[in-house]
Amino acid sequence: DAGITQSPRHKVTETGTPVTLRCHQTENHRYMYWYRQDPGHGLRLIHYSYGVKDTDKGEVSDGYSVSRSKTEDFLLTLESATSSQTSVYFCATAIAEYEQYFGPGTRLTVT
Amino acid sequence: AQSVAQPEDQVNVAEGNPLTVKCTYSVSGNPYLFWYVQYPNRGLQFLLKYITGDNLVKGSYGFEAEFNKSQTSFHLKKPSALVSDSALYFCAVRDRRQAGTALIFGKGTTLSVSS
Repeated sequence: DAGITQSPRHKVTETGTPVTLRCHQTENHRYMYWYRQDPGHGLRLIHYSYGVKDTDKGEVSDGYSVSRSKTEDFLLTLESATSSQTSVYFCATAIAEYEQYFGPGTRLTVT
Repeated sequence: AQSVAQPEDQVNVAEGNPLTVKCTYSVSGNPYLFWYVQYPNRGLQFLLKYITGDNLVKGSYGFEAEFNKSQTSFHLKKPSALVSDSALYFCAVRDRRQAGTALIFGKGTTLSVSS
């Protein structure tokens, strides 16, 4: 978890409301990722970024958008939250090759 | 399509016994392979990786993994399990042909070590 923080750590929101999750890193890593973790599915990629203002979709991107205006921050927005987006969200960073480093996670509940 | 399979949802071992957590993959070319561990209410922690070279890779906390290209497997092993090893373990792969591409994860295996 070193160098990567996520906020908020826990959030409960209502269906239909927009939600933004923040990932902040102090490692100056070029690549950043958003995953969601659900029982029986492991981790699935939502969006990723390969540089400032450069982002791309992952496996489960529908209903999510991202922005990266600075190297250190990667925002994930649920445009209109649904109950199916109740999950634990993890941010990760990487230099380029090899392993990724994960943040502590955000537990989101959509009621 | 690339995929990772962890055929066992749960592995139970007694403390002091050897443990194996299985992983097989389907990726074109020669992938990078990883193992991560997740403790309750925590993020994923990197354990070890295979990039190239020796098929037996040693990692953190006494874990090791054996890369077998012919069987497309990357099983996690430890000679003597500890109760504190109880956690959720994920195998992951990455296409080495593109820098920065995301990891593809298996569904995870819960390791339970009894005293």
